[in-house]
Amino acid sequence: DVKVTQSSRYLVKRTGEKVFLECVQDMDHENMFWYRQDPGLGLRLIYFSYDVKMKEKGDIPEGYSVSREKKERFSLILESASTNQTSMYLCASQTGDSYEQYFGPGTRLTVT
Amino acid sequence: QQQVKQSPQSLIVQKGGISIINCAYENTAFDYFPWYQQFPGKGPALLIAIRPDVSEKKEGRFTISFNKSAKQFSLHIMDSQPGDSATYFCAASYHGNQFYFGTGTSLTVIP
Repeated sequence: DVKVTQSSRYLVKRTGEKVFLECVQDMDHENMFWYRQDPGLGLRLIYFSYDVKMKEKGDIPEGYSVSREKKERFSLILESASTNQTSMYLCASQTGDSYEQYFGPGTRLTVT
Repeated sequence: QQQVKQSPQSLIVQKGGISIINCAYENTAFDYFPWYQQFPGKGPALLIAIRPDVSEKKEGRFTISFNKSAKQFSLHIMDSQPGDSATYFCAASYHGNQFYFGTGTSLTVIP
């Protein structure tokens, strides 16, 4: 089974802090994605990556950056956390030749 | 602009009934239309998906109906069970790249 793990299930941070969300997949997938999920808005794509050291902006990249130094790991960085970044963050991975995305369990981030 | 519009926002169905969730899309270039199921505390998981070259796909009690000319697709859950209670998301993608998700439907199946 494909496994996508996220470093924390729950995280509480203060406004202005730098926040790192880590995602690891164990199936050698080329593609990885970061989404945020908010009630009434569904899932919105923040960033995605097709290969190591490559990244593409999604629909809502403002206030976020990403890092992919190794194929299995994709990190989401909030440079200076703000209260409007309080949300559920979901990581997903995907092989290069399949359309199916595999999601991690999510990190619920609260910024106070 | 919402690329994929989903309705209803919530749905309550009796056990054994049919649950129907609808989605509409804008971009005719989309070529992959998945439905994801999400239980509380879990990430979404692929339930069923369809390509635009077929009008219907069935997997067990779950069926996708696809209307290319109307740019609409729907999920039908036959013989709905309490264990089907979850949030369902439709999505659309071009070549499996950037995915656009609907806003989700919270389904409750009453015993």
